[in-house]
This record gives sequence, C-alpha cells and structure tokens, in this order.
Amino acid sequence: DQQVKQNSPSLSVQEGRISILNCDYTNSMFDYFLWYKKYPAEGPTFLISISSIKDKNEDGRFTVFLNKSAKHLSLHIVPSQPGDSAVYFCAAPAVQGGSEKLVFGKGTKLTVNP
Amino acid sequence: EAGVTQSPTHLIKTRGQQVTLRCSPISGHTSVYWYQQALGLGLQFLLWYDEGEERNRGNFPPRFSGRQFPNYSSELNVNALELEDSALYLCASSRGTSTTQETQYFGPGTRLLVL
Repeated sequence: DQQVKQNSPSLSVQEGRISILNCDYTNSMFDYFLWYKKYPAEGPTFLISISSIKDKNEDGRFTVFLNKSAKHLSLHIVPSQPGDSAVYFCAAPAVQGGSEKLVFGKGTKLTVNP
Repeated sequence: EAGVTQSPTHLIKTRGQQVTLRCSPISGHTSVYWYQQALGLGLQFLLWYDEGEERNRGNFPPRFSGRQFPNYSSELNVNALELEDSALYLCASSRGTSTTQETQYFGPGTRLLVL
C-alpha cells in the first residue's frame, strides 16, 4: 500500500535550468509533507517541508508546491546545480495504530549535468 | 555537534544468522527511528523508540526487534536472517515525540548483505 508515490525514478536536467520533482499521495488525512535529499553513502537529510494549510513554501532555490485537491506536491529547484544531484524522497507522517510514522516515497534520482 | 552515528558501516551475514546494528542519536534527541531501504524501494519504517519505550512499529515480522538504552542510543536486532533482509538500515533521531513537529536527522546507515 504505497501511500506516497514518486512515479519518476529518475530525472536529468541541465545546470541552471529548473528541476521539478513530483510526488502524489493517496491519504487525504496527510497534513504535513517533507522532502529529504540523499547522497550516496550518506543518510537522507531534511530539505524542506510544507503544512497543508499552505500551498507553497520557499527556501532559497527550493520551493515546494502543494495541490491538496489533486493530492500532489512538487519540489522545484531553480537554478539547478551539479551538487543537487542526489536522490530526493517525499515523505508524510501517517498515523498507524494510534501512533505516527513517516511514510516515504521510493525516491527520484536527480542528475544535474554541467 | 556530532550527528547520528551508526555501526558497523557494512556487514555480511549468512541466512539464519542474527545481527545487531547500533545507533547513537544526536545529543539531546530522545527519539530514535529505524528504517530499511531495500534495493528499488523507498525507506520503509521499522521502529520508533522514545524515552526507552517502543512507540510504533512498521509492517515487519517479529524477528525484527530493538531497544533503546537510558542514554538514548539504540540497537536493532534481526534474527533468522533471510536473503531479502539485505538492505541499507538507517537510523534517525529527533528531539520530540511527534514526527510532524520535529525533523528527523539520519545517520549514514549500515549496509547489510545476507548471503
């Protein structure tokens, strides 16, 4: 039961252009979303989050957009840099058995070409 | 400030064996989370400990277990290893008990290979 879906396993963009990473979710009860970035041989690092009361959150080159009616969020990186090449995971806290857990998508591998 | 540390970094075991993975959270963090990332899959939630108690557990069989010590470090134990247990095991820590309020900080992971 994949509650958080990242349907694109990979994305390749040119340096300086915009990267758009997409995430869909099935549980309308989700009210908070997070993006994590993971380099090889390292653990994921928190990137940016958004609450369901907002439709946009911006932090420097990173902006997350939330479309609740479509149950869709996207992460925009502009301008993209080679150092942004990593796997990006979308995540949402889900309630299970009266307690919370983070549910992650399968990730999208972003490659930014110089 | 030191980040989340995990040991060992790599491990090779054979089917049926048992393994213990270790995690030290960031100083001041009381919650520790364990995740499994198998090939081609996202991070799958395994266990969540806070203040020494198991708060939540993912959809994994009972041979996956763990504990949290008074210093908030944690162990993940996997008994009767199976080939499909080969994965990257990630530990994360956070300050509070709510995953919506507190960011989780991840360690580098332990890569387990079961032959």
